[in-house]
Amino acid sequence: DTGVSQDPRHKITKRGQNVTFRCDPISEHNRLYWYRQTLGQGPEFLTYFQNEAQLEKSRLLSDRFSAERPKGSFSTLEIQRTEQGDSAMYLCASSLDSPNYGYTFGSGTRLTVV
Amino acid sequence: GQQLNQSPQSMFIQEGEDVSMNCTSSSIFNTWLWYKQDPGEGPVLLIALYKAGELTSNGRLTAQFGITRKDSFLNISASIPSDVGIYFCAGQNSGGSNYKLTFGKGTLLTVNP
Repeated sequence: DTGVSQDPRHKITKRGQNVTFRCDPISEHNRLYWYRQTLGQGPEFLTYFQNEAQLEKSRLLSDRFSAERPKGSFSTLEIQRTEQGDSAMYLCASSLDSPNYGYTFGSGTRLTVV
Repeated sequence: GQQLNQSPQSMFIQEGEDVSMNCTSSSIFNTWLWYKQDPGEGPVLLIALYKAGELTSNGRLTAQFGITRKDSFLNISASIPSDVGIYFCAGQNSGGSNYKLTFGKGTLLTVNP
């Protein structure tokens, strides 16, 4: 296992289209997180899964956003009716139950909405 | 909500120089983390600090967890060109929301060979 994988690395979409991103965490990690990072800012928390249960959603995650982790392994983040303000780097991370060792982040998906 | 103030915003130094950056918070954290992010990549963990007053090293990097638990600093000694990148501090709480990290805005480090 080489770390957290995210796909695609880059996505350009037209405003109003739907997009879906995938994250494959480190296999023994049961916690999975999504963060969003805009230019010049640090990552901001979006949502958190413990196995397949989504335990928290940030208020940054509007109704157009939905995340799933159906079998407690990989996760998907879908954005419906994309807006230009959705342009950002979407980062996935995973950790063990005790996150004291910090997360392991993936390389991110760079979304550009035109 | 919790906010982290990270300074400086950017630094431009000569290879071989030492670097210091810090992070302050409006509230207490129980864990401080320092990450480095290269362009187009995700953040990579450099150092984790778990106790107030703790001083931890990782090669040329040294970080300290402030006594008040509201601040942390990161030092890089004898900088080299591959130290270039954005350095982020992050705070983590204990208890019910211990999974969530709050990040600073980052310090952009440029090293001139």
